[in-house]
Amino acid sequence: GQNIDQPTEMTATEGAIVQINCTYQTSGFNGLFWYQQHAGEAPTFLSYNVLDGLEEKGRFSSFLSRSKGYSYLLLKELQMKDSASYLCAVRVLTGNQFYFGTGTSLTVIP
Amino acid sequence: NAGVTQTPKFRVLKTGQSMTLLCAQDMNHEYMYWYRQDPGMGLRLIHYSVGEGTTAKGEVPDGYNVSRLKKQNFLLGLESAAPSQTSVYFCASSYSFQRGSYNEQFFGPGTRLTVL
Repeated sequence: GQNIDQPTEMTATEGAIVQINCTYQTSGFNGLFWYQQHAGEAPTFLSYNVLDGLEEKGRFSSFLSRSKGYSYLLLKELQMKDSASYLCAVRVLTGNQFYFGTGTSLTVIP
Repeated sequence: NAGVTQTPKFRVLKTGQSMTLLCAQDMNHEYMYWYRQDPGMGLRLIHYSVGEGTTAKGEVPDGYNVSRLKKQNFLLGLESAAPSQTSVYFCASSYSFQRGSYNEQFFGPGTRLTVL
């Protein structure tokens, strides 16, 4: 089976940096994705890692360690619009299936 | 280019009624998926399809059926709705493999279903 863990809730201040962690245990690993989901909306793609290391994309960065089954999403210069749920998802080889964590609800306060 | 669309957006059913949710995508994606999202449970895969005429079970397939008669459409059916099927349903699609692409899943806007 697949097991993906991430914190349920986090709060951070506007302008600050926040790190959202994700740990996973899967078989047939074929990449780790982060999605953003605003309340009442569909998830949208943020970042992707398949090799170990850091991927940077503007204010967002994501890190992967396959040997540790660990990833994090780093959000810099937080803005109020970053208040959303952040979903960690592992892709497996079979059918391009994704297994999602329960999501981390981030609240950005002034 | 509409991306992934879902019909209907909202629906209320009585226990035992049936309904079909329609998902359509115009990105020529090979793979399509149906998820349900419940509070505290995250997104869970119901069924998926790797191509026209094919379907496979995901994590939580019981009580649902699917069909993929055309590449661009993926239907999710509830034959006899139960209150436990009250949820938000998301459809998604992706390439099987596209050079230069992450092959990420693109999601539709969701269908909010309530079963009384």
